Amino acid sequence: DQQVKQNSPSLSVQEGRISILNCDYTNSMFDYFLWYKKYPAEGPTFLISISSIKDKNEDGRFTVFLNKSAKHLSLHIVPSQPGDSAVYFCAASNPGGTSYGKLTFGQGTILTVHP
Amino acid sequence: EAQVTQNPRYLITVTGKKLTVTCSQNMNHEYMSWYRQDPGLGLRQIYYSMNVEVTDKGDVPEGYKVSRKEKRNFPLILESPSPNQTSLYFCASSNAHYSSPADTQYFGPGTRLTVL
Repeated sequence: DQQVKQNSPSLSVQEGRISILNCDYTNSMFDYFLWYKKYPAEGPTFLISISSIKDKNEDGRFTVFLNKSAKHLSLHIVPSQPGDSAVYFCAASNPGGTSYGKLTFGQGTILTVHP
Repeated sequence: EAQVTQNPRYLITVTGKKLTVTCSQNMNHEYMSWYRQDPGLGLRQIYYSMNVEVTDKGDVPEGYKVSRKEKRNFPLILESPSPNQTSLYFCASSNAHYSSPADTQYFGPGTRLTVL
């Protein structure tokens, strides 16, 4: 049972345009969400997070939006750069539960930004 | 430099031959975890540890063991590896604890394991 889903395996965008990566979750107990970026032959690195008490969090070119009623979050990258080409993982957790620290990941989306 | 290290980075072995993948972090983190990454499945948690001598199963613990005798080290043990354990493994650590449960996890570079 995939509790966190990224339904788009890949996304291709032109440099300078907006990249939008989507993520859906089914577990209503999740209340903390993160995006990780992964380059080949490296471990995932933290990109941005959002708590369920917010609906938007921004950090430079990266913005995460959370729609709790739809159980949906998205990552916007504006403007996209070739160096953003990587696999992006959405992750969710329930820090208030007994399994604090546990992250449930989506399948990942491969983003390719063309020059 | 704050980091999580794993060894070996690549390993090819045969069915049934016990192996250990080491993981070490230098950030004094209490929480450590092991994940495996498989195509189409993302990262799935194998085992985690909230502190020294405190470990528990994640989502896919079958065929794995862990130990946490020191805060910085969290080795993953495959007593009798099988081909379905061929995967990319990541160790992670974070400062999450009971009073500050939401914290980002820092990942090691990964260990690519092939079991023939």
